[in-house]
Amino acid sequence: DGGITQSPKYLFRKEGQNVTLSCEQNLNHDAMYWYRQDPGQGLRLIYYSQIVNDFQKGDIAEGYSVSREKKESFPLTVTSAQKNPTAFYLCASGGTGNQPQHFGDGTRLSIL
Amino acid sequence: GIQVEQSPPDLILQEGANSTLRCNFSDSVNNLQWFHQNPWGQLINLFYIPSGTKQNGRLSATTVATERYSLLYISSSQTTDSGVYFCAVADLSGTASKLTFGTGTRLQVTL
Repeated sequence: DGGITQSPKYLFRKEGQNVTLSCEQNLNHDAMYWYRQDPGQGLRLIYYSQIVNDFQKGDIAEGYSVSREKKESFPLTVTSAQKNPTAFYLCASGGTGNQPQHFGDGTRLSIL
Repeated sequence: GIQVEQSPPDLILQEGANSTLRCNFSDSVNNLQWFHQNPWGQLINLFYIPSGTKQNGRLSATTVATERYSLLYISSSQTTDSGVYFCAVADLSGTASKLTFGTGTRLQVTL
């Protein structure tokens, strides 16, 4: 959807390396989310943030970390503790006040 | 947590045919969205429909919240309708809407 920018589109990680996925939104949404999608599956929630400087774990937070220092930005770090990081990662914002969530175009992460 | 089941898992249609996709969910929800994921992975909002009926061109959706299901209708299907259709639901926690996704219906429209 327009207004949410994820970068990069493709990312490769070496063993033992941390990598950070960027998500920026200009929709003035308070809430932001990170989801993971494995092949042939639906999306699963990793972390979400309702407001700046606050975030909560979702269903599959182990091996991931986030920060929310600005309203517009919600970067996701995939740490070396995440043993199976290969997946499609989608960022979303919105979903409050009877409004839908909007999604970015995603980042595909692979292991080298 | 909420369980979401979608049916059918796979669907093949000839161009011009109509179809109905179903989403069942296990608990009361405050948010229900239908998405189309295209072959490039983009997740496109189709409907925000926690209850009632909405229409947008050849697509329409109905959610019967009291019976915990939603239907997505596709009429006069086109090859560009191919892809995966997801239903996602949420009950509000605080002010955020944490979506739980079904496993999707994979639609292929052939000439």
